[in-house]
Amino acid sequence: KAGVTQTPRYLIKTRGQQVTLSCSPISGHRSVSWYQQTPGQGLQFLFEYFSETQRNKGNFPGRFSGRQFSNSRSEMNVSTLELGDSALYLCASSGATTGELFFGEGSRLTVL
Amino acid sequence: GENVEQHPSTLSVQEGDSAVIKCTYSDSASNYFPWYKQELGKRPQLIIDIRSNVGEKKDQRIAVTLNKTAKHFSLHITETQPEDSAVYFCAATGGFKTIFGAGTRLFVKA
Repeated sequence: KAGVTQTPRYLIKTRGQQVTLSCSPISGHRSVSWYQQTPGQGLQFLFEYFSETQRNKGNFPGRFSGRQFSNSRSEMNVSTLELGDSALYLCASSGATTGELFFGEGSRLTVL
Repeated sequence: GENVEQHPSTLSVQEGDSAVIKCTYSDSASNYFPWYKQELGKRPQLIIDIRSNVGEKKDQRIAVTLNKTAKHFSLHITETQPEDSAVYFCAATGGFKTIFGAGTRLFVKA
């Protein structure tokens, strides 16, 4: 069974630009959540999707948005990038029977 | 808002000793408490979890305890080995949201 796949793995952007990150969950998993990981802040919850609906979101500004498609693949978008957005963005999928999160390898974003 | 506090932030033990990491959560709706291990440069992976209707769970050298009244839960690792060196995250899940603690960097000295 293939794991969670995130693309791109690395990207460099400049302030003011926007970025879209993609996440393909484990086959059969309908829940996808996103986290921002930084050295000082740990794993910060961004949002969670299930069957194309956002069920919960964290305390991030509106520049951070996401969506989920009918095949459960998810994307997150960050507009008007700031230096502080530099981080590892992790996507995780979860099945129906357990709450275990299966993480992808992440997309490392650097904002210059 | 919901918060999970984790202590200590860094823990150094001698091989063979025990390690204990403690967490406190704030959201009463939390009902699932997983622990993840993240090795350097790798993705977090679940090592053990506990649900709110259970007070203690053990899996070989690791165990987790939960005190719902006090909103405390802890990870215990016995007979630590160098390969246990990693960052450990506690988390509290409820309402389609998983909130993580800030992490504990564990060093096991051989």
